[in-house]
Amino acid sequence: GDSVTQMEGPVTLSEEAFLTINCTYTATGYPSLFWYVQYPGEGLQLLLKATKADDKGSNKGFEATYRKETTSFHLEKGSVQVSDSAVYFCALLLFTGGGNKLTFGTGTQLKVEL
Amino acid sequence: DGGITQSPKYLFRKEGQNVTLSCEQNLNHDAMYWYRQDPGQGLRLIYYSHIVNDFQKGDIAEGYSVSREKKESFPLTVTSAQKNPTAFYLCASSPTVNQPQHFGDGTRLSIL
Repeated sequence: GDSVTQMEGPVTLSEEAFLTINCTYTATGYPSLFWYVQYPGEGLQLLLKATKADDKGSNKGFEATYRKETTSFHLEKGSVQVSDSAVYFCALLLFTGGGNKLTFGTGTQLKVEL
Repeated sequence: DGGITQSPKYLFRKEGQNVTLSCEQNLNHDAMYWYRQDPGQGLRLIYYSHIVNDFQKGDIAEGYSVSREKKESFPLTVTSAQKNPTAFYLCASSPTVNQPQHFGDGTRLSIL
């Protein structure tokens, strides 16, 4: 079945460090890919998306490129801030005809320290 | 402002009791979803509805029920048959089935 695998956390970085959170997927078709962010006690917010191979999603300094050849969608940011501390979820959306389904990874917690 | 409103934020259930979680959206979205989130796990789909008066089971529907009588409302009932209901419940909606889902702020359900 379809699945998303994320690197385990927590990831702890100093402010202004470079961030990479790895995400790989398995899907039977051609999914759309997403990164969501969850701040403590809140719901998920859509961070960025990519709908086809080689698309780059970007938002708030975060970027991720849809790599079909490596089935990956790694999240990157050049300089993290304390306010970026949250849990990040990679997800894929596949329309199967019987309905769509958003499949999530288990989430990666990011902690940014001064 | 448009958005998804979940209530209550915290809910406590007694043994053998049914409880209902509210989800309302004023985004005019056709599709609505319920997910369950457990610590250290991703979100798991409970039920979804792509159009009013129609809904489908997700991956973990046992012990839950839903209704979709109005476009803007998709309440979730956690029945006494759900033996491990303690979790964070998230409601989401999307304009159509192929578009990104937007989430509410969640309801945390605990057992007394």
